[in-house]
Amino acid sequence: DQQVKQNSPSLSVQEGRISILNCDYTNSMFDYFLWYKKYPAEGPTFLISISSIKDKNEDGRFTVFLNKSAKHLSLHIVPSQPGDSAVYFCAASAIAGGSEKLVFGKGTKLTVNP
Amino acid sequence: DVKVTQSSRYLVKRTGEKVFLECVQDMDHENMFWYRQDPGLGLRLIYFSYDVKMKEKGDIPEGYSVSREKKERFSLILESASTNQTSMYLCASRSWTSGLAKNIQYFGAGTRLSVL
Repeated sequence: DQQVKQNSPSLSVQEGRISILNCDYTNSMFDYFLWYKKYPAEGPTFLISISSIKDKNEDGRFTVFLNKSAKHLSLHIVPSQPGDSAVYFCAASAIAGGSEKLVFGKGTKLTVNP
Repeated sequence: DVKVTQSSRYLVKRTGEKVFLECVQDMDHENMFWYRQDPGLGLRLIYFSYDVKMKEKGDIPEGYSVSREKKERFSLILESASTNQTSMYLCASRSWTSGLAKNIQYFGAGTRLSVL
């Protein structure tokens, strides 16, 4: 039973364009969401997060949008750069439920072409 | 900056061997986690620890055990390594004092384990 789904295993975009990575979840108890970025042979690096009391959080080129009614979040990268090429993981946790655990999606491999 | 250090980047072991994976964090974090990452499966939680000498099973604990004798160190033990435990192993830590309002885990660089 996959609670966090990233339905696109890969995404390819041109440098300078927008990258949109999507994530769906099924557990309505999830109230805190994170995006991690992972380069090959390295550990995941925290990128940006959002609490369920918000619908948008922005940090430089990265913006995360949350649609609670649709149980959907997305990560927008504008403009995309070749250095953004990596695997992106969506993760969720149920803070109000007292859980420290993060539930991860399977990841989306982003390739930004020069 | 938070630093999570895993003792080995690459490890090759034989079937049946006992394997120790070590993880050290330098930020006095209470919580520590062990995951494995496999292609197409994402990150799956093996074990986690709330604090020293405390441990909880994650989603895939079979074939593994853990040890947390000191706050900064969390060890993953493969009692008798098998080929299906060939994987990338990732350690993470998190501060409890920051509260769950900021449930950010910080990861080490990973250990690529091959069991032959």
